[in-house]
Amino acid sequence: KAGVTQTPRYLIKTRGQQVTLSCSPISGHRSVSWYQQTPGQGLQFLFEYFSETQRNKGNFPGRFSGRQFSNSRSEMNVSTLELGDSALYLCASSLQAGGPRNEQFFGPGTRLTVL
Amino acid sequence: AQSVAQPEDQVNVAEGNPLTVKCTYSVSGNPYLFWYVQYPNRGLQFLLKYITGDNLVKGSYGFEAEFNKSQTSFHLKKPSALVSDSALYFCAVRGGRGTGGFKTIFGAGTRLFVKA
Repeated sequence: KAGVTQTPRYLIKTRGQQVTLSCSPISGHRSVSWYQQTPGQGLQFLFEYFSETQRNKGNFPGRFSGRQFSNSRSEMNVSTLELGDSALYLCASSLQAGGPRNEQFFGPGTRLTVL
Repeated sequence: AQSVAQPEDQVNVAEGNPLTVKCTYSVSGNPYLFWYVQYPNRGLQFLLKYITGDNLVKGSYGFEAEFNKSQTSFHLKKPSALVSDSALYFCAVRGGRGTGGFKTIFGAGTRLFVKA
């Protein structure tokens, strides 16, 4: 069974641009969560989607948005990029939404660099 | 509010020696605790979790973790370290129902160096 895939793996953008990152969960998984990883802030939860609905949201500005499609694939969008948005963006999928018994499987991440 | 603390930025241990990576948590209600490992240029890999039951949890690659409710700790341990265990380790917590959702809060990470 294929793991979580994220595209692109690397991305370079300039301030003010917008970017869309994609995540394909493990087949059969219906929940997708997004995390931002930076050296200064560590791993921070962005949002969680299940069955095309946002179930949970972290403390990020409205420039960060996401969506989930009927095939469970998810996209994350960041508008008006700032230098501080440079980070590794990780996607995780699980069978069901939330819950401690649902293991999250992480993708390799998308490394975003904002110049 | 949920929080996780990993008090050590880095842990150094010689190969063959036991290792401990520390984690303390704060959460309302019953804690759901996890350990993940991250190798360079890779995503996080799940090691083990505590939901309920035995305080000693066994996980992947010979790792185990001890849940201590009175000390609100969930330290990761391994009896004999390998050089290949060198990586970044994250402790994480999810609150239970009624605590504002199931979002996972991660600690800052502890880098483990195992010297041959």
